[in-house]
Amino acid sequence: DTAVSQTPKYLVTQMGNDKSIKCEQNLGHDTMYWYKQDSKKFLKIMFSYNNKELIINETVPNRFSPKSPDKAHLNLHINSLELGDSAVYFCASSRFGQQFFGPGTRLTVL
Amino acid sequence: AQSVAQPEDQVNVAEGNPLTVKCTYSVSGNPYLFWYVQYPNRGLQFLLKYITGDNLVKGSYGFEAEFNKSQTSFHLKKPSALVSDSALYFCAVFGYALNFGKGTSLLVTP
Repeated sequence: DTAVSQTPKYLVTQMGNDKSIKCEQNLGHDTMYWYKQDSKKFLKIMFSYNNKELIINETVPNRFSPKSPDKAHLNLHINSLELGDSAVYFCASSRFGQQFFGPGTRLTVL
Repeated sequence: AQSVAQPEDQVNVAEGNPLTVKCTYSVSGNPYLFWYVQYPNRGLQFLLKYITGDNLVKGSYGFEAEFNKSQTSFHLKKPSALVSDSALYFCAVFGYALNFGKGTSLLVTP
């Protein structure tokens, strides 16, 4: 069984569209995260949720809105997509600091 | 602020030789340090962590890391490199989330 899963794996869309990426973990962890990896492979935290509550919101445009319906899920909704949003987005969950990452969603904005 | 630095963009090693991938950290308080590996078009895989205790930490796939408080370093090492070790390696420090270094590309040649 996959510990942290993300859908879709690839997402190609036009500028201005709205899209969502879903994440689910079956590890029973309380904390989940979204990270962004840009074209230079830099990894940066975007959001963190603990038990469905937002605890970190880095300097991310408010076009990005995370939603956590329960502690096993953390979805990422992006409005009005821009070219610069093209990246790989990783979901992760953790307990005691060690994080388990999903396979990533490669978003390409045309 | 918690941060790590990886001074090398790329490390080249011949198969069978020892390898070192460098990482230095800057934290207030006790550091929670991690190494992750990313194979091409894949997610991040946990290698090892230092929380407290023994300064030599052993991890997955024969990797180990040495925590050095006086030099504020946490270098990743392996006694004998394999071609299959070729990948992108990230050092990270945990604050409220993982703060990653820029990554070091390891190339092991036959």
